[in-house]
Amino acid sequence: KQEVTQIPAALSVPEGENLVLNCSFTDSAIYNLQWFRQDPGKGLTSLLLIQSSQREQTSGRLNASLDKSSGRSTLYIAASQPGDSATYLCAVSPYNFNKFYFGSGTKLNVKP
Amino acid sequence: EPEVTQTPSHQVTQMGQEVILRCVPISNHLYFYWYRQILGQKVEFLVSFYNNEISEKSEIFDDQFSVERPDGSNFTLKIRSTKLEDSAMYFCASGQTLNQPQHFGDGTRLSIL
Repeated sequence: KQEVTQIPAALSVPEGENLVLNCSFTDSAIYNLQWFRQDPGKGLTSLLLIQSSQREQTSGRLNASLDKSSGRSTLYIAASQPGDSATYLCAVSPYNFNKFYFGSGTKLNVKP
Repeated sequence: EPEVTQTPSHQVTQMGQEVILRCVPISNHLYFYWYRQILGQKVEFLVSFYNNEISEKSEIFDDQFSVERPDGSNFTLKIRSTKLEDSAMYFCASGQTLNQPQHFGDGTRLSIL
């Protein structure tokens, strides 16, 4: 069974800093990987989706990379802002299965 | 921007009662999902639905659970006889294709008393 791990569990940084969130998964036979943001009491907002054949995806200040062979993905956030404070979740979809396995998330606090 | 909507936002039910959680996926999406998140735990996959049938289900999705797409817009999750351990946030999601992102609703908080 696919296991998804996110490190660190929590991160506090001053505004303006660049930061990296990590996600690792145990089975490299994945179809795609998606990063989400979750605000307290809210649903999940899709940030980036990387297909298994891709190495990275970018959207604004966010860049997600995928190294399938080593079972790792990173989410890079440039010039962090207080509004980026949220929990960031990584989810992987196994090849040939229509579902996602989620990590526990990294809770990010960006201090003004 | 189109969004997935879920109702109700909070449901309180007595143990043993049936509950139906409702979702309106994004209109041109073809893949539909239910997930749940017990407080303090990971988001867990329950079931995926495509072409009017279940395509995947987890071990959590036992005989007390069922899903239905009764018309062209709604997607429902029914829990037939609720247990205390069914208390969780339930999220509906939809996707246009398997290569497109899944979009989530804001969830229904289900509290079983």
